[in-house]
Amino acid sequence: QQQVKQSPQSLIVQKGGISIINCAYENTAFDYFPWYQQFPGKGPALLIAIRPDVSEKKEGRFTISFNKSAKQFSLHIMDSQPGDSATYFCAARRRTAGTALIFGKGTTLSVSS
Amino acid sequence: GAVVSQHPSRVICKSGTSVKIECRSLDFQATTMFWYRQFPKQSLMLMATSNEGSKATYEQGVEKDKFLINHASLTLSTLTVTSAHPEDSSFYICSARGPGNPYEQYFGPGTRLTVT
Repeated sequence: QQQVKQSPQSLIVQKGGISIINCAYENTAFDYFPWYQQFPGKGPALLIAIRPDVSEKKEGRFTISFNKSAKQFSLHIMDSQPGDSATYFCAARRRTAGTALIFGKGTTLSVSS
Repeated sequence: GAVVSQHPSRVICKSGTSVKIECRSLDFQATTMFWYRQFPKQSLMLMATSNEGSKATYEQGVEKDKFLINHASLTLSTLTVTSAHPEDSSFYICSARGPGNPYEQYFGPGTRLTVT
């Protein structure tokens, strides 16, 4: 089922730094690319999302960059804070077959103070 | 808005018994809900797509007779793990397609199932 590849698996960033997480997808049958944040024992919460007709979307400290030709997209967290320490998942929505989300394997982010 | 709840949040059951997990959309109607399972420190794996009033669509490799899904109303989907075994212990999470933007999905808080 794994059609979305995410890296790195873990990331340590100093407070105030930029966190960058990358994802790549393997086919073109996706039409929506969200990022989710998950804290231990909780369900994922939608952070930011992008459609493939847009190359970049920014919401506060969070930015998605999307490269359709390379089938890659990334999450940038500016001015990272200790409260951002969590697991981040990229996902892609299937255009058909129930339009479910397929998730990457996740990145555990630790922001040191 | 767009709140999804799950009940129970934690459940412990004995091997061989069945357990039901409820997923509710609290402030919107959800014609489509999704069920995922997540093992510790791993990703969410889609189990099935649940459509109100029709049979669920299961992903390849998911046993439909073991994981029974019922979506009897526009606000409630249930997942029943039948004849549970220790290997079924996992974090089960449901999601629902949002009320406005059809692309957005909102997730419940998850249910931790432990089979002893």
